[in-house]
Amino acid sequence: GESVGLHLPTLSVQEGDNSIINCAYSNSASDYFIWYKQESGKGPQFIIDIRSNMDKRQGQRVTVLLNKTVKHLSLQIAATQPGDSAVYFCAENRPPPTGGYNKLIFGAGTRLAVHP
Amino acid sequence: GAVVSQHPSRVICKSGTSVKIECRSLDFQATTMFWYRQFPKQSLMLMATSNEGSKATYEQGVEKDKFLINHASLTLSTLTVTSAHPEDSSFYICSASGGGSMASTDTQYFGPGTRLTVL
Repeated sequence: GESVGLHLPTLSVQEGDNSIINCAYSNSASDYFIWYKQESGKGPQFIIDIRSNMDKRQGQRVTVLLNKTVKHLSLQIAATQPGDSAVYFCAENRPPPTGGYNKLIFGAGTRLAVHP
Repeated sequence: GAVVSQHPSRVICKSGTSVKIECRSLDFQATTMFWYRQFPKQSLMLMATSNEGSKATYEQGVEKDKFLINHASLTLSTLTVTSAHPEDSSFYICSASGGGSMASTDTQYFGPGTRLTVL
């Protein structure tokens, strides 16, 4: 079935380095994508989103890139800090085929470990 | 802004009992609320979607008689796990989407989750 998946299950980086977390999606009808950060024992926290009519969006220390040609999404974190250590999920907002509600389809998640 | 709360944060119950989990949107009106389940080291799995005042739409494989969802108002949804068993032990997370100055209608804002342990 269609899914949103991640290339790397874990990512270890040095404090201060830039991090790049990748995500692939397969449903070309998806029109909105979100990155969430989840710390242990907590709910997902919204980081940044992007609509399908854009290819780049920047936030504070984070940038999301969308390549619709190859159905690829990435999250870039600049100057990674220990507080960035968490699991990161990409989520694809998928319109219903006929009526109903939009659904968020989550990827498997990437654990980011930041080392001092 | 766009804050979602859940209560309780953690619950331990005996097998066979029912447990109710509340999800509230604190600063926006949640026209749609979602319930997810997450097992350790796994991703979130959508269980059901509900609109205020309507019956919930359950995902395939989710028993509607076991996981009762009530979305009685624009700020409150409840999930009741009936006759809970150890295999129902999991992390249950709600999310909400809606309008107003604090929230985007497309984005889902998540609660902090409820850890359910059934003995």
